[in-house]
Amino acid sequence: DAGVIQSPRHEVTEMGQEVTLRCKLISGHNSLFWYRQTMMRGLELLIYFNNNVPIDDSGMPEDRFSAKMPNASFSTLKIQPSEPRDSAVYFCASSLGQGLNTGELFFGEGSRLTVL
Amino acid sequence: GENVEQHPSTLSVQEGDSAVIKCTYSDSASNYFPWYKQELGKGPQLIIDIRSNVGEKKDQRIAVTLNKTAKHFSLHITETQPEDSAVYFCAASNILKAAGNKLTFGGGTRVLVKP
Repeated sequence: DAGVIQSPRHEVTEMGQEVTLRCKLISGHNSLFWYRQTMMRGLELLIYFNNNVPIDDSGMPEDRFSAKMPNASFSTLKIQPSEPRDSAVYFCASSLGQGLNTGELFFGEGSRLTVL
Repeated sequence: GENVEQHPSTLSVQEGDSAVIKCTYSDSASNYFPWYKQELGKGPQLIIDIRSNVGEKKDQRIAVTLNKTAKHFSLHITETQPEDSAVYFCAASNILKAAGNKLTFGGGTRVLVKP
């Protein structure tokens, strides 16, 4: 398997523009996580899904952020409108298992977003 | 919610020496403690984990210890090599609480192994 695939790897946009980040899970995994990484705040969990259902979105900064999982293998994170403070590396991760059978998180290589 | 503190934020060691990174957590219900390694330009990758029913775990040059009473856990790397240079993250979660594995990460430790 190719692992978790994220696109784009790099995005530079202007303030106010819509940004869509994409993630393809590892085949067969049932949990999907979106993390944001910055120097100031480290790795922050934004939202996670289990079996396509959003379980916890308490980390989503504000209404400008939204995430969807239209099918078992694909997710999008959308920022509309984008602001300079959204500049960060956004990671998607997937895992298989639940509870005592919890599996490791497999991270993609990240999408580096710069909002000018 | 869970809060994980990690120290030090940077660590420079001579090749061959040992490196120790320490983390504390706040939620006594946490029962799963993984460690991730992040190389430049990559996503974090699991290197070792420990569950609350175990006090210590070892995998070649890497070992983790857990003190549930004090709510702290540590990563030990022995005989460090240049390829150990990376950012290391500790994390904690309660794997029985909810669907999926919601990890709370520490702030990271940048380790530099000098040849």
